[in-house]
Amino acid sequence: DMKVTQMPRYLIKRMGENVLLECGQDMSHETMYWYRQDPGLGLQLIYISYDVDSNSEGDIPKGYRVSRKKREHFSLILDSAKTNQTSVYFCASRDRGHAETLYFGSGTRLTVL
Amino acid sequence: GDSVTQKQGQVTLSEDDFLFINCTYSTTTYPTLFWYVQYPGQGPQLLLKVTTANNKGISRGFEATYDKGTTSFHLQKASVQESDSAVYFCALVGYMGYKLTFGTGTSLLVDP
Repeated sequence: DMKVTQMPRYLIKRMGENVLLECGQDMSHETMYWYRQDPGLGLQLIYISYDVDSNSEGDIPKGYRVSRKKREHFSLILDSAKTNQTSVYFCASRDRGHAETLYFGSGTRLTVL
Repeated sequence: GDSVTQKQGQVTLSEDDFLFINCTYSTTTYPTLFWYVQYPGQGPQLLLKVTTANNKGISRGFEATYDKGTTSFHLQKASVQESDSAVYFCALVGYMGYKLTFGTGTSLLVDP
């Protein structure tokens, strides 16, 4: 069963603190994504990773960076979090063998106070 | 760039009603079109996809037709159930592309 795991599920941070969101997949998918979801805005793409150490900005990369040192893990880092980064963050991986289908994790709800 | 428009933010129906969710898209490539469904507390999951214009995708009683002429990919279901209550996202990826562009989502509430 294909699975994308996100940790933690809920996180509360203060403005200015650093935040690390982690994502893992057990399918050896090359391509992984970070999206954020806000009411009325749908899912907005933050970063794409095509494979280890091969990352590309999405539509809203400002204030975020990513790290992918192993194919199975993809991290999203917020250096000095801001209140407008309060959101639900979703990680996804892409099954090239299943016509571009994305598999999503259950999300991390981040609150920045 | 690519864009997807869902004008209906929320739809409320009763069980056995007909469902129609509007989706239009804009792209300069030959896209693959998707409908994803998101249940409370979960990430989106694929409902159906269509890779070829004028083809219809069907899954779990839902269907959508890729209409290149009207650039539409509306989602329909003949008879909804309470368990269909969820948020539905229309999305596209361009030919040979990696970026999946989502619409803003339509929240469906089905009253029993």
